[in-house]
Amino acid sequence: KAGVTQTPRYLIKTRGQQVTLSCSPISGHRSVSWYQQTPGQGLQFLFEYFSETQRNKGNFPGRFSGRQFSNSRSEMNVSTLELGDSALYLCASSLVAGEYTDTQYFGPGTRLTVL
Amino acid sequence: KNEVEQSPQNLTAQEGEFITINCSYSVGISALHWLQQHPGGGIVSLFMLSSGKKKHGRLIATINIQEKHSSLHITASHPRDSAVYICAVRSWDTDKLIFGTGTRLQVFP
Repeated sequence: KAGVTQTPRYLIKTRGQQVTLSCSPISGHRSVSWYQQTPGQGLQFLFEYFSETQRNKGNFPGRFSGRQFSNSRSEMNVSTLELGDSALYLCASSLVAGEYTDTQYFGPGTRLTVL
Repeated sequence: KNEVEQSPQNLTAQEGEFITINCSYSVGISALHWLQQHPGGGIVSLFMLSSGKKKHGRLIATINIQEKHSSLHITASHPRDSAVYICAVRSWDTDKLIFGTGTRLQVFP
């Protein structure tokens, strides 16, 4: 079974631009979560989607948004990029979500650099 | 104070040594995860625990819900175990994953 895939793997943008990152979960997985990892803040939770609905959202500004499609693929968008948005963005998928969450399978991440 | 604290932050060991990494948390949880991150960024989920103890190969994870503490043990450590080990808890209140800052382990031959 193919693992979680994320595209693109690397991205360079300038301040003020917007970016869209994509995540394809493991086949059959209906839950997708997004995380941001920076050297200063470590790993932080962004969003969790299940069956096209946002179940949960982390403490990030409204510039960060996401969605999930009917095939469980997910995208996240960051508008008006700031230097501090430079990070590794990780997506993880699991069969279910929430209280009965089982093992999360992580993608390789998208490394975003904002200049 | 962080809601999830790990110790030590850095750990160096000789091949074959027994290693323990600790995780303490201050929130009510529904589950605790141990993750492994190798250089380059890839993260692998090692364990998910809500009580007791789990074992997978040379790795053992335990959790004490009353004391809000978990340990990850590596027996007969090997250089390929060199990685960052991250503890994460799913908060019972918010249902969000909260991460520790990680423990960087280096195992030398």
